Amino acid sequence: EAQLLESGGGLVQPGGSLRLSCAASGFTFSSFDMAWVRQAPGKGLEWVSASSPSGGTTYADSVRGRFTISRDNSKNTLYLEMNSLRVEDTALYYCASPASAWKFDYWGRGTLVTVSS
Amino acid sequence: EIVMTQSPATLSVSPGERAIVSCRASQSVSSRLAWYQQKPGQAPRLLIYGASTRATGIPARFSGSGSGTEFTLTISSLQSEDFAVYYCQHYLNWPLTFGGGTKVEIK
Repeated sequence: EAQLLESGGGLVQPGGSLRLSCAASGFTFSSFDMAWVRQAPGKGLEWVSASSPSGGTTYADSVRGRFTISRDNSKNTLYLEMNSLRVEDTALYYCASPASAWKFDYWGRGTLVTVSS
Repeated sequence: EIVMTQSPATLSVSPGERAIVSCRASQSVSSRLAWYQQKPGQAPRLLIYGASTRATGIPARFSGSGSGTEFTLTISSLQSEDFAVYYCQHYLNWPLTFGGGTKVEIK
């Protein structure tokens, strides 16, 4: 059974940085697309970034140039490096993976990022 | 960017009744449309993909229909565990976008 476990969230000041991790198990991580999806408190879902098995990446306009997605296939781990954080980046960040196409079959439980002074 | 619009924002339904949630895309997404269920404190769960294919383990009371720009999620007979927020999402191209959500609450 596929499992995703996020970590690395916390409280950070505006302008600060944070790195999120997502540890994957139960499937061949190196063969799967992966993504980050966030949810601001009381709000809906927002796709943030995606990574292909070969390392191709794409970003939402709201985070492009500030966030970097990467993966270490040898460690079955996905990362999200977040710089120049803004108050509006405050959200629960989910790691998610599609079994095929870009609909999300597998989700982690999320890690909370709070950007506040 | 394709904008996904869901209606209604809130749907009040009695247990055993049918619930219908609508999702409209600002341009055609063909059948590249997924539906998710999210309960408080939980991650979203994939219900439907390809506009009408149920994901693994999803009960038959959940069904999806539509193509192009108009889509519907139908829950034929609401059970207590179905009261939740439902989201649609297109996966035609980048950026992937979600609808704003529909809360299905107990009437």
